[in-house]
Amino acid sequence: KAGVTQTPRYLIKTRGQQVTLSCSPISGHRSVSWYQQTPGQGLQFLFEYFSETQRNKGNFPGRFSGRQFSNSRSEMNVSTLELGDSALYLCASSLGTGDTQYFGPGTRLTVL
Amino acid sequence: GESVGLHLPTLSVQEGDNSIINCAYSNSASDYFIWYKQESGKGPQFIIDIRSNMDKRQGQRVTVLLNKTVKHLSLQIAATQPGDSAVYFCAENRDNAGNMLTFGGGTRLMVKP
Repeated sequence: KAGVTQTPRYLIKTRGQQVTLSCSPISGHRSVSWYQQTPGQGLQFLFEYFSETQRNKGNFPGRFSGRQFSNSRSEMNVSTLELGDSALYLCASSLGTGDTQYFGPGTRLTVL
Repeated sequence: GESVGLHLPTLSVQEGDNSIINCAYSNSASDYFIWYKQESGKGPQFIIDIRSNMDKRQGQRVTVLLNKTVKHLSLQIAATQPGDSAVYFCAENRDNAGNMLTFGGGTRLMVKP
């Protein structure tokens, strides 16, 4: 069974731009969560989607948003990029609530 | 605030020895704990998990121990191998928090040949 896939793997953007990252969960998984990983803050929860509905949201500004499609694939968007948004963005999928979460390889975003 | 933390940022062990990585948590409402391994350039890889109704769980070469009295979690790796070199994270989940995981800061395990 294929694992969680994320595209693109690397991105370079400039301040003020916006970016969209994509995540395809493991087949059959309906829950997708997003995390930001930085050397300073570690791994921080962004949001979780289940059946196209956002169920939880972390402590991030409104510039960070996401959505989930009917096939469980998910996208996250960051608008008006700031230098501090440079990070590894990780997507994790699970069957449902309280089930094991499996992570993708991440998208490395660099904001110049 | 409430958080999950690790005592040691770096652990260096000899190949073949056993490794113990520790983690402290502060939220007594946490009921699900997971250990992840992250190698350079990769996403976190699930190792083992444990729920609050258990105090020990074993996998292949790994054991997780949970002490709810002192809010402490540990990961034991038997016969540590060079391939075990990575950063290890503990994470906690609370029953009323959906799938939101709170991660510790991580411990780097270095295995000397």
